Amino acid sequence: AQSVTQLGSHVSVSEGALVLLRCNYSSSVPPYLFWYVQYPNQGLQLLLKYTSAATLVKGINGFEAEFKKSETSFHLTKPSAHMSDAAEYFCAVSGSGGYNKLIFGAGTRLAVHP
Amino acid sequence: GAVVSQHPSWVICKSGTSVKIECRSLDFQATTMFWYRQFPKQSLMLMATSNEGSKATYEQGVEKDKFLINHASLTLSTLTVTSAHPEDSSFYICSVLDGGNGYTFGSGTRLTVV
Repeated sequence: AQSVTQLGSHVSVSEGALVLLRCNYSSSVPPYLFWYVQYPNQGLQLLLKYTSAATLVKGINGFEAEFKKSETSFHLTKPSAHMSDAAEYFCAVSGSGGYNKLIFGAGTRLAVHP
Repeated sequence: GAVVSQHPSWVICKSGTSVKIECRSLDFQATTMFWYRQFPKQSLMLMATSNEGSKATYEQGVEKDKFLINHASLTLSTLTVTSAHPEDSSFYICSVLDGGNGYTFGSGTRLTVV
């Protein structure tokens, strides 16, 4: 069975600082991995996804993530935080080596302060 | 990706009544849709996988008689919360499996049962 662990339910950074949100996965087959962002009372917006191609994935809004099989990780980074990045971020895994039901991590709330 | 419309965005109902939530795929014929539930400050929990023309597949612990899912066409899936109670108050989100592109999420429905 697939699962996702997001380390740190809350992360706080200064505007302009590096953003690092951690995600570790468990999967018995090569996974598809996703990062989503959610603003209050809204649905989810895809930031980026890994589907077994390039291990370094670039997404929208300056975010990127690197798939590291040896570490079973898919951490999300952004070089310079912006106030508008403050939101809830979810890492998710789709099992069975393709697009199947998504299993979400618990989420990380990112706060950005001036 | 697909364009997904979820309606209503919020609804208040009395305890004991039923509420229907619609999820429409506006520009993609979706054979598979998913329904999630999200409690405040928590992650998304998959409730069921909705398959066009067949019965939905419910996750363990989800009452199929309480959360009725109908996917009668390739563009519409509905979730009906029957005999709603205050503990059913939550944020419900649908998503469309958009072929090889991944998932597109609706904007969510805030259900409050009073």
